[in-house]
Amino acid sequence: EIVLTQSPGTLSLSPGERATLSCRASQSVTSSYLAWYQQKPGQAPRLLIYGASSRATGIPDRFSGSGSGTDFTLTISRLEPEDFAVYYCQQYGSSPRTFGGGTRVEIK
Amino acid sequence: QVQLVQSGAEVKKPGASVKVSCKAFGYTFTSYYMHWVRQAPGQGLEWMGIINPSGGSTSYAQNFQGRVTMTRDTSTSTVYMELSSLRSEDTAVYYCARDSSGYFPYWGQGTLVTVSS
Repeated sequence: EIVLTQSPGTLSLSPGERATLSCRASQSVTSSYLAWYQQKPGQAPRLLIYGASSRATGIPDRFSGSGSGTDFTLTISRLEPEDFAVYYCQQYGSSPRTFGGGTRVEIK
Repeated sequence: QVQLVQSGAEVKKPGASVKVSCKAFGYTFTSYYMHWVRQAPGQGLEWMGIINPSGGSTSYAQNFQGRVTMTRDTSTSTVYMELSSLRSEDTAVYYCARDSSGYFPYWGQGTLVTVSS
């Protein structure tokens, strides 16, 4: 099973700042099959990024994903008020599918 | 448009079973795998398993082997997740999520299952 470790656990930033979230895998993720999701309280997760760097439909271009192998990054170039949420990475290259523990982006 | 509509909240006693449904709209039901993911209160996301709505084949996460059963009804475009021998640690929101090349662009609204004596 691939274990995904997200860091930091919590990121305290102000609107307009840049957010950099990390997801590290215990072994190489096949074909960069890595996705990122955003979740707000009381809501289902929302797909942001798939294939490590492809934005999902309707996702603003301030969200970008990068990385390969075992190290992946989600970057939010300029935080908007609606971006304060919890973010999860997920690998889908091997079974079982696994999620990281999440990074909370909170308002400083 | 694609929509997944889940059944309502449930309260169960320890040792009981729960069956959650997920009805699909807006696409060809048998063309896409469906997953189940759960989230305990204040915790992260946990993948439970996958079902192929076309043939009904399933694959379950090891943590749930022997306790979970995923089924489907093609006549109503509905998938089901049944979890047995419930314990307090199974208190969580259960989501269905439609597969698309492995990732999950579509999610149900979630079903809260509370296990309490």
